[in-house]
Amino acid sequence: AQSVAQPEDQVNVAEGNPLTVKCTYSVSGNPYLFWYVQYPNRGLQFLLKYITGDNLVKGSYGFEAEFNKSQTSFHLKKPSALVSDSALYFCAVRERNTGNQFYFGTGTSLTVIP
Amino acid sequence: DADVTQTPRNRITKTGKRIMLECSQTKGHDRMYWYRQDPGLGLRLIYYSFDVKDINKGEISDGYSVSRQAQAKFSLSLESAIPNQTALYFCATTEGFSTDTQYFGPGTRLTVL
Repeated sequence: AQSVAQPEDQVNVAEGNPLTVKCTYSVSGNPYLFWYVQYPNRGLQFLLKYITGDNLVKGSYGFEAEFNKSQTSFHLKKPSALVSDSALYFCAVRERNTGNQFYFGTGTSLTVIP
Repeated sequence: DADVTQTPRNRITKTGKRIMLECSQTKGHDRMYWYRQDPGLGLRLIYYSFDVKDINKGEISDGYSVSRQAQAKFSLSLESAIPNQTALYFCATTEGFSTDTQYFGPGTRLTVL
């Protein structure tokens, strides 16, 4: 069965420090990988995606993610956290061959402490 | 987010009532999805549709039905609402290409008393 794991429900980081939000997946083949962010009372917004090529993907708002095929991971990172980055973050995968469905992780709540 | 709209944004109803949540999109996408979000469970797929004549069940379709009235409109119905259907509901769209992301509506917060 396809699955996406976000092992941390909550991540706290001080403003200005680097942040990492973890994601691992178990999906057949080589899926496409996505990160979304959800601010309070809003829908999910696309941050970045990995399709192919360079393992380090850059996205919106200074975020980046590193794809690691051997560890089946796609961790979200940012070199210097802002208070405004506080939100709920979701990792998602989409099968490469069919692409019919997206599989989402359970979400990680990021709090950046001033 | 304005490309995908959902109505109503908030709804409180009673057990046993029939409820319809509506979704409209102006992105011209063929594929539309309904999810529910519960704390600690992330997003779970209820139904999805690839065109007007194509409806597919998702992970948690029991107790729900859908209607794809047009390419731009996809409605979710709760035939007889129950309290454990209290959740945040999202509509999303995507193009047919596997590399494309999903675009989400703002959500409908449904409370079943």
